Amino acid sequence: DAKTTQPPSMDCAEGRAANLPCNHSTISGNEYVYWYRQIHSQGPQYIIHGLKNNETNEMASLIITEDRKSSTLILPHATLRDTAVYYCIVRVLNTGNQFYFGTGTSLTVIP
Amino acid sequence: EAQVTQNPRYLITVTGKKLTVTCSQNMNHEYMSWYRQDPGLGLRQIYYSMNVEVTDKGDVPEGYKVSRKEKRNFPLILESPSPNQTSLYFCASSGLNRGIDEQFFGPGTRLTVL
Repeated sequence: DAKTTQPPSMDCAEGRAANLPCNHSTISGNEYVYWYRQIHSQGPQYIIHGLKNNETNEMASLIITEDRKSSTLILPHATLRDTAVYYCIVRVLNTGNQFYFGTGTSLTVIP
Repeated sequence: EAQVTQNPRYLITVTGKKLTVTCSQNMNHEYMSWYRQDPGLGLRQIYYSMNVEVTDKGDVPEGYKVSRKEKRNFPLILESPSPNQTSLYFCASSGLNRGIDEQFFGPGTRLTVL
């Protein structure tokens, strides 16, 4: 699976949109982009995933560039409870093989 | 309630004393995995299993063993723990036929090896 690059930390004002970037320039055609987050020392939580089209669910939106070399996770109205480490992962769907979480982006939502 | 459970949640032990951390899921998931988390290194995969009797190494398997004799259980075994295995450990599971590949994580086990 391809590896990803994320900024180590970001801040966002409460109520504003949080835009978390991820670079995956070596992604291959059958690899999906996944996002998870980890609040404090709890187990990570799945947020969203996509292949090449933009995706939206009740938690977030995922924007993938046309060349698929980067993506952005958008939390439309960040709250204090969104303070967490966000992990961007690329992998082939449902292969059950290795997961590379990396070190993620630590997002702090500021009141 | 669908969940992944781990026991114990906290453990302090001494070097060389064999220990087992249990992991159990009630979602009939095929895929199970163990991770360790250390400051500055993020989450790293230790072992994973795609089904009963099928296990494979992750990024950092040295010093660990696993077994998958039943679908619901995936214990992590440290035969001779060392201080560098002091870490926060997470077990996770996922259903391979769900088309989403969402992993569900347990609450974590904080292990200290003296």
